[in-house]
Amino acid sequence: ETGVTQTPRHLVMGMTNKKSLKCEQHLGHNAMYWYKQSAKKPLELMFVYSLEERVENNSVPSRFSPECPNSSHLFLHLHTLQPEDSALYLCASSPGPYNSPLHFGNGTRLTVT
Amino acid sequence: GQQVMQIPQYQHVQEGEDFTTYCNSSTTLSNIQWYKQRPGGHPVFLIQLVKSGEVKKQKRLTFQFGEAKKNSSLHITATQTTDVGTYFCGSHSGGYQKVTFGTGTKLQVIP
Repeated sequence: ETGVTQTPRHLVMGMTNKKSLKCEQHLGHNAMYWYKQSAKKPLELMFVYSLEERVENNSVPSRFSPECPNSSHLFLHLHTLQPEDSALYLCASSPGPYNSPLHFGNGTRLTVT
Repeated sequence: GQQVMQIPQYQHVQEGEDFTTYCNSSTTLSNIQWYKQRPGGHPVFLIQLVKSGEVKKQKRLTFQFGEAKKNSSLHITATQTTDVGTYFCGSHSGGYQKVTFGTGTKLQVIP
């Protein structure tokens, strides 16, 4: 149990589908993150939310759309994805302030066909 | 933007041998964090260093932050099969809580 729960664990979708990834943290943290992990690439930061406000958008294509309705929940809405978007998508949270460690969820393994 | 390079990319060791991974940056880092990701798992926070020249130990693991705060190392003494995984360094940059990660070092321990 990591304190950060991601669903679904696995997702296969076609390029024309619309799906959403969900993340919930039970740690009372103020910041939440989406990272993308592809083979042979470092962990890529996608989005950061601090107190429900998006504070970082790391040049992510518009086919990825984040949503943070409250400090415990984070979504990543997906539409018209490409096969190269197949990866492990990791959600993380941190308590703040600056220099806090990240607590990761188990991730969603996404395959785009 | 800030880039953190990590070497080596892969390391195979016999059980009982030592292992070291290094992180290097061209810019001064505010801090360095180390994470371990087991095969099929997610990154798990190990430790954070913030002071120049800081050294911290966790059992067989020794973490060091360089004097210029541009490099860091993780050293494992007498590796065990439970040490298998990928070790990442990360550092905060910019405002808020943005963490940039190195490429990771994948450790394989041969029994």
